[in-house]
Amino acid sequence: QVHLQESGPGLVKPSETLSLTCTVSGDSVTSGSNYWSWIRQPPGKELEWIGYFYYSGTTNYNPSLKSRVTISVDRSKNQISLKLSSVIAADTAMYYCARGAGWNYAFDYWGQGTLVTVSS
Amino acid sequence: QSALTQPASVSGSPGQSITISCTGTSSSFGTYNFVSWYQQHPGKAPKLMIYEASKRPSGVSNRFSGSRSGNTASLTISGLQAEDEADYYCCSYAGSSTFWVFGGGTKLTVL
Repeated sequence: QVHLQESGPGLVKPSETLSLTCTVSGDSVTSGSNYWSWIRQPPGKELEWIGYFYYSGTTNYNPSLKSRVTISVDRSKNQISLKLSSVIAADTAMYYCARGAGWNYAFDYWGQGTLVTVSS
Repeated sequence: QSALTQPASVSGSPGQSITISCTGTSSSFGTYNFVSWYQQHPGKAPKLMIYEASKRPSGVSNRFSGSRSGNTASLTISGLQAEDEADYYCCSYAGSSTFWVFGGGTKLTVL
């Protein structure tokens, strides 16, 4: 069974960098053909895809966030990480990591999510 | 404004059927049929219910079905049960420039 677990600070100050980690078990982030993604959901609002890390090392980001987002991998820990720079209040959201299945482009496994609040 | 448009809310009585629509443009769906649907209960992570517009993952009730016609995808839930009350989101993989887009979500109320 694939399990994803997000972790990181729950409070970030405006203009600083949000940093989160997703620890994956039951699958490898550096093999297979899956898109290890970050997805966020502001309180009471819809889901928004942020970006992905592909096992080959390729990353791609939502065009609306591309200038502020970096997704990277720690192969030794089977983790993917998210960094979002210059955060503002509108970046307050529940942040999820999810596995995008490479054969059907659906998000079949999700972490429980972690709430990040941007506030001074 | 979401790239995919869903009704804000739908409702139905136990045992009835409801359909949630998800309308986009040709660019929202691309040339693919990679439409998926997710169920989200309050305070929980989304759960995959339908992929490739009409296929059900193992373990998902056959009361859930999906379809797509042109630029509109639909999720139908038959034999409504109280536990179906949740938010539902459609999602489309639109190719290597847009990637994934989600609908605005639909709140299903079981009366």
